Amino acid sequence: AQKITQTQPGMFVQEKEAVTLDCTYDTSDQSYGLFWYKQPSSGEMIFLIYQGSYDEQNATEGRYSLNFQKARKSANLVISASQLGDSAMYFCAMRELTGNQFYFGTGTSLTVIP
Amino acid sequence: DAGVTQSPTHLIKTRGQQVTLRCSPKSGHDTVSWYQQALGQGPQFIFQYYEEEERQRGNFPDRFSGHQFPNYSSELNVNALLLGDSALYLCASMSRGQPQHFGDGTRLSIL
Repeated sequence: AQKITQTQPGMFVQEKEAVTLDCTYDTSDQSYGLFWYKQPSSGEMIFLIYQGSYDEQNATEGRYSLNFQKARKSANLVISASQLGDSAMYFCAMRELTGNQFYFGTGTSLTVIP
Repeated sequence: DAGVTQSPTHLIKTRGQQVTLRCSPKSGHDTVSWYQQALGQGPQFIFQYYEEEERQRGNFPDRFSGHQFPNYSSELNVNALLLGDSALYLCASMSRGQPQHFGDGTRLSIL
């Protein structure tokens, strides 16, 4: 079974609008961390936001917020007030604290339309 | 404060050759992981090094090997290159309890 599932291969959003990128995960561990990374066409992976499994509040970092629904095993990324520079691939990832491996999803390509 | 640095940025090899990729972790980080990212895919975990030892390994053949040095830098070696080894190879570093930080990657092309 896939550890991380991103069901949206591509998404479009109008500039200045908000967009939600979906991510579901599969783990039997009680302790784990969830991450979102942005990968522009240049290739580097840029860390955006982190949510721990025991964190009761949703993580926020500037225009990024993580909608964490533990019972549904989902960790959706919300980008508010989209900017043209947000156009990139976005990857959801998980680290189970019993291991040392990060699992990545297949990514969502976001295009911001002027 | 330098982030994760990888060298070289691009590399072209032929089938059957061997390649070594290098990574210097972000200052303060002691753990290095390597990933293979094929075109249009998410990164796939190759292995992780901590205290100069391979701590965990993903589903990659023994042709993929690595090393971590006392200064925490790391090398990824791939022997007997195949066409399917063409990919972006990403190095990531972290310290305990922190998110991983990635380098810009090495783009390896096999002819």
